[in-house]
Amino acid sequence: KNQVEQSPQSLIILEGKNCTLQCNYTVSPFSNLRWYKQDTGRGPVSLTIMTFSENTKSNGRYTATLDADTKQSSLHITASQLSDSASYICVVSGSSASKIIFGSGTRLSIRP
Amino acid sequence: GAVVSQHPSRVICKSGTSVKIECRSLDFQATTMFWYRQFPKQSLMLMATSNEGSKATYEQGVEKDKFLINHASLTLSTLTVTSAHPEDSSFYICSARRLEGLGIDTQYFGPGTRLTVL
Repeated sequence: KNQVEQSPQSLIILEGKNCTLQCNYTVSPFSNLRWYKQDTGRGPVSLTIMTFSENTKSNGRYTATLDADTKQSSLHITASQLSDSASYICVVSGSSASKIIFGSGTRLSIRP
Repeated sequence: GAVVSQHPSRVICKSGTSVKIECRSLDFQATTMFWYRQFPKQSLMLMATSNEGSKATYEQGVEKDKFLINHASLTLSTLTVTSAHPEDSSFYICSARRLEGLGIDTQYFGPGTRLTVL
């Protein structure tokens, strides 16, 4: 069964600190993995996208990694800001179907 | 990046009325659009896949007669919640699929529509 699991479910850190969010998946065959940021009451916004051959991708203070062998991805946020408070969703696409599997998200709260 | 709009952003209606939500891809053509609903502090739940010029494909448990989807053009899909009831109150989000090349496709999400049924 194709699944995407994220951890932790929620996380609270102080402003300025770094954090890492995890995503494990069982989707096969694999096409690509995306990390989205969703602010409360808004639609998700894409942060990074990685294919099978890519193992790291950066977007400003966001750095995503991908290990296609262990089927794990992480999203590292550096020097967190209050505006980073949001839900972060890992989304995995299989190469043989148009259906995309969503993780349940990690709710990140940044405290001043 | 690609832009997807939704209208309205918020709607409040009385129980029993029907509500139409529009989803538009503003700068690209989308043969496939998706409709999601999201309850507070929960993840997105796919309701249906909308294909231009054909009938929508609904996920298990989603009533197709209650949530009418029309994808009449490559840039517009509509979701109509018929005879809305308070339990239909939710955050509805659409996305449009764009092929980026090299076999990669990306979903671009709209900003969402907050539906409140009184």
